[in-house]
Amino acid sequence: GIQVEQSPPDLILQEGANSTLRCNFSDSVNNLQWFHQNPWGQLINLFYIPSGTKQNGRLSATTVATERYSLLYISSSQTTDSGVYFCAASGGYQKVTFGTGTKLQVIP
Amino acid sequence: NAGVTQTPKFRVLKTGQSMTLLCAQDMNHEYMYWYRQDPGMGLRLIHYSVGEGTTAKGEVPDGYNVSRLKKQNFLLGLESAAPSQTSVYFCASSYERDREKLFFGSGTQLSVL
Repeated sequence: GIQVEQSPPDLILQEGANSTLRCNFSDSVNNLQWFHQNPWGQLINLFYIPSGTKQNGRLSATTVATERYSLLYISSSQTTDSGVYFCAASGGYQKVTFGTGTKLQVIP
Repeated sequence: NAGVTQTPKFRVLKTGQSMTLLCAQDMNHEYMYWYRQDPGMGLRLIHYSVGEGTTAKGEVPDGYNVSRLKKQNFLLGLESAAPSQTSVYFCASSYERDREKLFFGSGTQLSVL
């Protein structure tokens, strides 16, 4: 199956700073999603983005399928952005595979 | 609109005991999934269902059984719990047409002593 790698594994930001999270995948995908798991454990679907660029407020995501990576941008970070960000991908008829996540801590 | 609801939220079992986790969704989704989340390992698929009356194995199915008797419900059973099954369990669902866009429940923290 597809291998999904995320970097960095941990990230500490000062409130107001910008950041970029990266997701590399080992094969062609027809599905790429970004999730945020908040400190209470809830998983929220941020983007469904198998290719191209999407934006939602301070968050945006870009997937370059031909080069097998996706990026999640967080601008003007807030303490509520803290948590773990997961990338998940699948190709063909395979089930979704999750990366191990990037743990983000935004400090005031 | 409650979305995906899991019960219970917390449970402690002794080795060898059995239990059932319930997942209910009110979005009329065809696809439902059970994942487990362990530290440093992301989420791994246990079992899934592509419609009422169907089930299929995922990445880590051993020690678990599932049933999908009604479209809105997906049950995960542990017949004889083991300490290795201590984990956080998440249920998810998705539309048939856009089947990989997942909507998650709030999770169940299970400890097996």
